[in-house]
Amino acid sequence: AQSVTQPDIHITVSEGASLELRCNYSYGATPYLFWYVQSPGQGLQLLLKYFSGDTLVQGIKGFEAEFKRSQSSFNLRKPSVHWSDAAEYFCAVTLEGSGNTGKLIFGQGTTLQVKP
Amino acid sequence: EPEVTQTPSHQVTQMGQEVILRCVPISNHLYFYWYRQILGQKVEFLVSFYNNEISEKSEIFDDQFSVERPDGSNFTLKIRSTKLEDSAMYFCASSTDVSPLHFGNGTRLTVT
Repeated sequence: AQSVTQPDIHITVSEGASLELRCNYSYGATPYLFWYVQSPGQGLQLLLKYFSGDTLVQGIKGFEAEFKRSQSSFNLRKPSVHWSDAAEYFCAVTLEGSGNTGKLIFGQGTTLQVKP
Repeated sequence: EPEVTQTPSHQVTQMGQEVILRCVPISNHLYFYWYRQILGQKVEFLVSFYNNEISEKSEIFDDQFSVERPDGSNFTLKIRSTKLEDSAMYFCASSTDVSPLHFGNGTRLTVT
């Protein structure tokens, strides 16, 4: 079955430290990959996306993610975390050529806590 | 930047009552969606809507659910007879045929 796994439910990092949030997917076909962030009381904001081409993609707020087909992974990174990055982060996947790029399959989310 | 707006932000209803959740998608978007997130669980796809009809729906989207685009700007989700397990955050989203989804801030539905 198609699935998206975020192995880390909760991560705590110190402000200024680097961050990596893991995402693995299980699909047979070429996926479109996304990271969304949800701050408390807010909706889902797109951080970045991968459709094709360069496997290292840059997003908003200083985030980047790397698509590794051999590992079925799309990990999110940030070199220096700010207190305002505390939020819940969701990895999501949809299939190329699905005819409906809106049917996203979400991971269970990773809650990021930032220590001062 | 254009936004997807959802109203109300919080809706409390009694079990068995009908509820309508409202969304105003981004104006030039043609694809519309509803997702939901039960507390502590994943965000789940409910339904997609294009050209005034449902293009895909999940097994969650049973006969108790319906969607409508009553005019040129609104997109609604109706739950005909709410159950306790319908309590969740409901997200509306919209997109063009090539853009990622843009989500609203959600409506928290509480069924008592």
